[in-house]
Amino acid sequence: DAEITQSPRHKITETGRQVTLACHQTWNHNNMFWYRQDLGHGLRLIHYSYGVHDTNKGEVSDGYSVSRSNTEDLPLTLESAASSQTSVYFCASSGTGSGSYEQYFGPGTRLTVT
Amino acid sequence: GENVEQHPSTLSVQEGDSAVIKCTYSDSASNYFPWYKQELGKRPQLIIDIRSNVGEKKDQRIAVTLNKTAKHFSLHITETQPEDSAVYFCAPGGNEKLTFGTGTRLTIIP
Repeated sequence: DAEITQSPRHKITETGRQVTLACHQTWNHNNMFWYRQDLGHGLRLIHYSYGVHDTNKGEVSDGYSVSRSNTEDLPLTLESAASSQTSVYFCASSGTGSGSYEQYFGPGTRLTVT
Repeated sequence: GENVEQHPSTLSVQEGDSAVIKCTYSDSASNYFPWYKQELGKRPQLIIDIRSNVGEKKDQRIAVTLNKTAKHFSLHITETQPEDSAVYFCAPGGNEKLTFGTGTRLTIIP
């Protein structure tokens, strides 16, 4: 069965360190998204990609970067982790041309920056 | 960008009663209107969606209604059950990008 996975599921890191969160999907979806979820803010879009070598900034992109070298993966990098980036991170993917923009979410990564 | 407001932020209803959650949005170009459900500690999952050329859609106990002129759409859950307790998010969008509301925590009282 097709799926979307994230790793690690939990991560504790120190302020200033570079951190990369992995997202891998086997749906063969063109579109991939990264969100962060914080109490009172719902899901906020960090970066998204509509295909290989395409990346776009979302509403809270400062301090984050992504790259899309293949269809299956969209890793999220925190260049220099800050305590404000402590959050739960969700990756999602969706297909194109189906008439629905349904996004399938990964299980999430809980990141703590100390 | 899209501004999304979702009301109420919390809702408690007796088991068997109905629940209604409303979402207002600002971007008239939005043409896709989904609702996601997120149980505690789990990932969000789509429960129902509607396109802008349709006014209402129903799937068993849940329904979504859209008023495109007024830029709002609502989630209706009838005959609520304990398993309906969760956080619900609206996420209007277009061009395959969604903007999520801040969520409604629904609690079903047995």
